[in-house]
Amino acid sequence: EAQVTQNPRYLITVTGKKLTVTCSQNMNHEYMSWYRQDPGLGLRQIYYSMNVEVTDKGDVPEGYKVSRKEKRNFPLILESPSPNQTSLYFCASRTTGGAGELFFGEGSRLTVL
Amino acid sequence: KQEVTQIPAALSVPEGENLVLNCSFTDSAIYNLQWFRQDPGKGLTSLLLIQSSQREQTSGRLNASLDKSSGRSTLYIAASQPGDSATYLCAVPNNDMRFGAGTRLTVKP
Repeated sequence: EAQVTQNPRYLITVTGKKLTVTCSQNMNHEYMSWYRQDPGLGLRQIYYSMNVEVTDKGDVPEGYKVSRKEKRNFPLILESPSPNQTSLYFCASRTTGGAGELFFGEGSRLTVL
Repeated sequence: KQEVTQIPAALSVPEGENLVLNCSFTDSAIYNLQWFRQDPGKGLTSLLLIQSSQREQTSGRLNASLDKSSGRSTLYIAASQPGDSATYLCAVPNNDMRFGAGTRLTVKP
């Protein structure tokens, strides 16, 4: 089954404790991206990757890091989480070129105390 | 930079009504436009994908149209049901995907 898998789905952590949210897709997609969704602000892109070793900033990259060492994986790293990073996070993937359908993971709800 | 707007922000209708959700975008040079459904606290489910060369796409009671020249897309839902209650988002792909803020639909029994 074609899918985008995120882990963890739910996480409560404390300020400053590094964490990684993993994202994996099994569709051989070149393009992967991360979004955060906050009430009243909609979906905002954090980072995206056009292919392995190619990443670029989205609208709200501050406080986040990403890496793309393998085609299927695109982890989101919060080096020193802060309460304003409490949010619902989504990973998505599609083929490159812009014409492909975008597939989303189920989301990861992160709370930073 | 591409901007995507959805109107109305919220819509409440009685069961059985046909309804139209609107999506507009500022840059007509798009590859495609995608409609999603999101239930509260859940992920996004793809409903329809319209390629730039297409005028419309249908899936069951859903029909999406695309008019690139005017920068508009509509999602038509026929014979609405309470189970259609959700937020509907449209998105336009580029390297950075642009999403509308969504239309929150409530279908009352």
